[in-house]
Amino acid sequence: SAVISQKPSRDICQRGTSLTIQCQVDSQVTMMFWYRQQPGQSLTLIATANQGSEATYESGFVIDKFPISRPNLTFSTLTVSNMSPEDSSIYLCSVEDVDTRETQYFGPGTRLLVL
Amino acid sequence: AQKITQTQPGMFVQEKEAVTLDCTYDTSDPSYGLFWYKQPSSGEMIFLIYQGSYDQQNATEGRYSLNFQKARKSANLVISASQLGDSAMYFCAMRERFAGNQFYFGTGTSLTVIP
Repeated sequence: SAVISQKPSRDICQRGTSLTIQCQVDSQVTMMFWYRQQPGQSLTLIATANQGSEATYESGFVIDKFPISRPNLTFSTLTVSNMSPEDSSIYLCSVEDVDTRETQYFGPGTRLLVL
Repeated sequence: AQKITQTQPGMFVQEKEAVTLDCTYDTSDPSYGLFWYKQPSSGEMIFLIYQGSYDQQNATEGRYSLNFQKARKSANLVISASQLGDSAMYFCAMRERFAGNQFYFGTGTSLTVIP
């Protein structure tokens, strides 16, 4: 399985500001995924990030609010823009298993609190 | 309709006992994968076990086994010999082979192991 790291692990931000979350993988992967987990809720897919192309966003998520970069096969960033308290969540990145392309492995998550 | 249903918001089990966490799913795709993840209070999503829709035998990984009943569309997780460290949220998830890369997650079951 891939080893995935995320920065920051947690942050407290003021409303109206933006935060960029980094996700680093120890191996080259085609697709990286970004999820949001609101307090007490399950995971919701925000977007899929492929290297060299625009991210594909799920219904309810837009690029202006959650811009994503994917500059190479081991790294991606998610920015949460113009934050409001409703953006307080855990944000997780994940990658597919390189060999089977079945299982998704997750990073440790970024806990975001917006005041 | 919900893709993944977990009907047990919270479960308690005595240490060293076995526990079953329920999961039912809904799909018309003939090929799919079923997954269980553990999320401790730290927030990380830890992959536990995978079952493919064409697998003839139930998946097992150490103390975890998946009770796969295809006709009933259920994929219950069985944890044997529960340990205090098993206390966490457990999420059931499904991926449909021909419906893109999205994982559908259930709402989770909170498991508490009692000493």
